[in-house]
Amino acid sequence: GNSVTQMEGPVTLSEEAFLTINCTYTATGYPSLFWYVQYPGEGLQLLLKATKADDKGSNKGFEATYRKETTSFHLEKGSVQVSDSAVYFCALIDTSGTYKYIFGTGTRLKVLA
Amino acid sequence: ETGVTQSPTHLIKTRGQQVTLRCSSQSGHNTVSWYQQALGQGPQFIFQYYREEENGRGNFPPRFSGLQFPNYSSELNVNALELDDSALYLCASSPETSIRGSSYGYTFGSGTRLTVV
Repeated sequence: GNSVTQMEGPVTLSEEAFLTINCTYTATGYPSLFWYVQYPGEGLQLLLKATKADDKGSNKGFEATYRKETTSFHLEKGSVQVSDSAVYFCALIDTSGTYKYIFGTGTRLKVLA
Repeated sequence: ETGVTQSPTHLIKTRGQQVTLRCSSQSGHNTVSWYQQALGQGPQFIFQYYREEENGRGNFPPRFSGLQFPNYSSELNVNALELDDSALYLCASSPETSIRGSSYGYTFGSGTRLTVV
């Protein structure tokens, strides 16, 4: 079945460091891919998305490129801030029936000043 | 009217009791999904409603049930609560359930944190 695998956290970085959070997926067909962010005590906020191969999603300095050949959708940011500390979820929408999300287990990012 | 609103924000129930969680979606959002997020885990799909009918279900027992109403509100009901039902319950809505909708993504509420003791 469809699945999403994320690198385990926590990831701890200093402010202004470069961020990469790895995400790979297994899916039939061509799912849309998403990154969601969850701040402490809150729900999920859509960070960015890509709907087809080679698409690049971007928002608030974060980027991810839909790589069909490596089935990956890694999240990157050139210079993280303390306010980026949160849990990041990679997800795909399963288009084989019900349009449900399949989420990874999440990666906690901690940015130190 | 914007956003997805869930109520209550926190709830404590006793094992064996029943609970109803509520969600108010944006106007025009015909599709609503419910997810369970256990501590330290990613959200797991419970079920989805489209135009007031269930059109998909995850691996959850029948004691998890739902309703969707014409005014874009919905409910998640859980009977015979178990300790493992303790989790954050998230409601998510989308204006479509088609391929076009899948590229929209869903808007999530802030969730209801349920604790079963």
